[in-house]
Amino acid sequence: EPEVTQTPSHQVTQMGQEVILRCVPISNHLYFYWYRQILGQKVEFLVSFYNNEISEKSEIFDDQFSVERPDGSNFTLKIRSTKLEDSAMYFCASSPSWRTYNEQFFGPGTRLTVL
Amino acid sequence: SQQGEEDPQALSIQEGENATMNCSYKTSINNLQWYRQNSGRGLVHLILIRSNEREKHSGRLRVTLDTSKKSSSLLITASRAADTASYFCATVFYNQGGKLIFGQGTELSVKP
Repeated sequence: EPEVTQTPSHQVTQMGQEVILRCVPISNHLYFYWYRQILGQKVEFLVSFYNNEISEKSEIFDDQFSVERPDGSNFTLKIRSTKLEDSAMYFCASSPSWRTYNEQFFGPGTRLTVL
Repeated sequence: SQQGEEDPQALSIQEGENATMNCSYKTSINNLQWYRQNSGRGLVHLILIRSNEREKHSGRLRVTLDTSKKSSSLLITASRAADTASYFCATVFYNQGGKLIFGQGTELSVKP
């Protein structure tokens, strides 16, 4: 069964460093999302992406964040200058279509630790 | 906030018992989805119920939706130790691009 994959599973970085989190969505899906979950808290929407551009972003997704689909398979989240409060689990998700508001398929997550 | 609280926050039951979790929301939705998360792992989609549906079943799962009360419940029947996980409801609102708005979750512990 196709699945969303994410790499790395765990990333440790120093405050102020740039990190890139990678995701490979399910191949025939068109809509891509990033969410994050700070330890012990609920899952929060960051950004949605369709047709090579951002569809929607949350207040969390400020200028330090960017997303890209550099080729036909990868979907990346970049944090330019990490802060301690960026420490969280980051989940990528994909969906065949939001027009029919379908389920989203989540990857296993990348645990980001900022020291 | 568009999403209300889920209750209970934590639920501990014996194997074989039923588990019921509730979720509330504040504005009109397109659909409501339930996800499961094992400790430290990814989210697994369980079931989706649309705003024009009242009840849906999938195996041992039963989901109800009451749009007049803006609430939903997830019932897991004949629970097993392997059902131990956190369960989240997530709502999709109209004209908001399909993003999921998650609740705080219910932590379910099923003791053998």
